[in-house]
Amino acid sequence: DIVMTQSPDSLAVSLGERATINCKSSQSVLYSSNNKNSLAWYQQKPGQPPKLLISWASTRESGVPDRFSGSGSGTDFTLTISSLQAEDVAVYFCQQYSSTLRTFGQGTKVEVK
Amino acid sequence: QVQLVQSGAEVKKSGSSVKVSCKASGGTFTSDSFSWVRQAPGQGLEWMGGIIPMFGTANYAQKFEGRVTITADESTSTAYMELSSLRSEDTATYYCARGVTASPYDSWGQGTLVAVFS
Repeated sequence: DIVMTQSPDSLAVSLGERATINCKSSQSVLYSSNNKNSLAWYQQKPGQPPKLLISWASTRESGVPDRFSGSGSGTDFTLTISSLQAEDVAVYFCQQYSSTLRTFGQGTKVEVK
Repeated sequence: QVQLVQSGAEVKKSGSSVKVSCKASGGTFTSDSFSWVRQAPGQGLEWMGGIIPMFGTANYAQKFEGRVTITADESTSTAYMELSSLRSEDTATYYCARGVTASPYDSWGQGTLVAVFS
């Protein structure tokens, strides 16, 4: 199975400041059919199911604020919140979907400093 | 937008089985992909397995192989997850999630809490 490892496990950022979350896969998640990286980011708030933010490593879903951005390729990926808002407090997960056996990172908890 | 509605919370005794349902609406059930993801209290997301109804064959995470069965009923647009030989470590919220082939999950059910007691 592809192992996804996120860092850090948690971070506290002041409102309006940048938050950066990293995700590393144990092998490439490149999807050969479209030459894109099969890497998604989800946001989960307490008591709610996860919400898809970004697919294909960098494509923002409809309605997701543009302060959220994804980058990276191969095995190393990053989710950036350019200016943290109070409503962004949540746990963020990366997921690879290049393999039939899909796997998630362990999650990163983002809090306000 | 596909909507997924799951069955209600369950309380089960160790050693028994549980079957959770997930009814889909608003999509193309047959060709969509449905997966089950669980989350123990305060923990992360754990992929259990998935199925594409038109193919009928499910794939499972190795950890759950032999203990989980994922099925789909096209006539009612409902996916199911059955977990057997329950133990206390299986206490978790179980989510169904929908995607299309080679894409992430764009719709999630509300979650079903399964509590296992000894």
